Amino acid sequence: GAVVSQHPSWVICKSGTSVKIECRSLDFQATTMFWYRQFPKQSLMLMATSNEGSKATYEQGVEKDKFLINHASLTLSTLTVTSAHPEDSSFYICSAGLAGRDTGELFFGEGSRLTVL
Amino acid sequence: KQEVTQIPAALSVPEGENLVLNCSFTDSAIYNLQWFRQDPGKGLTSLLLIQSSQREQTSGRLNASLDKSSGRSTLYIAASQPGDSATYLCAVRQSNAGNMLTFGGGTRLMVKP
Repeated sequence: GAVVSQHPSWVICKSGTSVKIECRSLDFQATTMFWYRQFPKQSLMLMATSNEGSKATYEQGVEKDKFLINHASLTLSTLTVTSAHPEDSSFYICSAGLAGRDTGELFFGEGSRLTVL
Repeated sequence: KQEVTQIPAALSVPEGENLVLNCSFTDSAIYNLQWFRQDPGKGLTSLLLIQSSQREQTSGRLNASLDKSSGRSTLYIAASQPGDSATYLCAVRQSNAGNMLTFGGGTRLMVKP
């Protein structure tokens, strides 16, 4: 299957700093990428849909100024957690589908664990 | 709004047993249903994808069925092994919601040697 890579896998930062997480589709182009958040022992919660070349669409309750999403190319989307606080500590996962060949299958990255001290 | 439920939430079985994981969804107008596996602290690995027009998909010891009209899917794992221990998630894609997936809460499976 297609490969989605996230970086970094782990990040620890001080409260108030900003953290950027990258999501790359390695062997395919993705017009749309999705960002999810997962709390311990819970399922994935969709945060936003990232469309290449346009503004992201955020789910209800997700602060767009807090979680900045940029999808500048067909293979890269970034999530920036601005002025991070301990409550932002979580596991963030991105996913992408194949552009131009819509089987409907989505592929997920390995996730990025953010710990805010 | 689509809601996806997985039962049971947790399951512990001895090695070798055949087992069934259940997934139900409230809106039958789905485009497809996907089963994933997630190991602790890791991302999701796609196991099986069933299109809305299909009844089942098989991969090795895994078989997933789909009954769209009743809003149900089952994941059947034959001859379970300790390496099957993980959380299994089902997710549905709506026909009119782009690529967005709605996830169930997952079933945490432990297979004991």
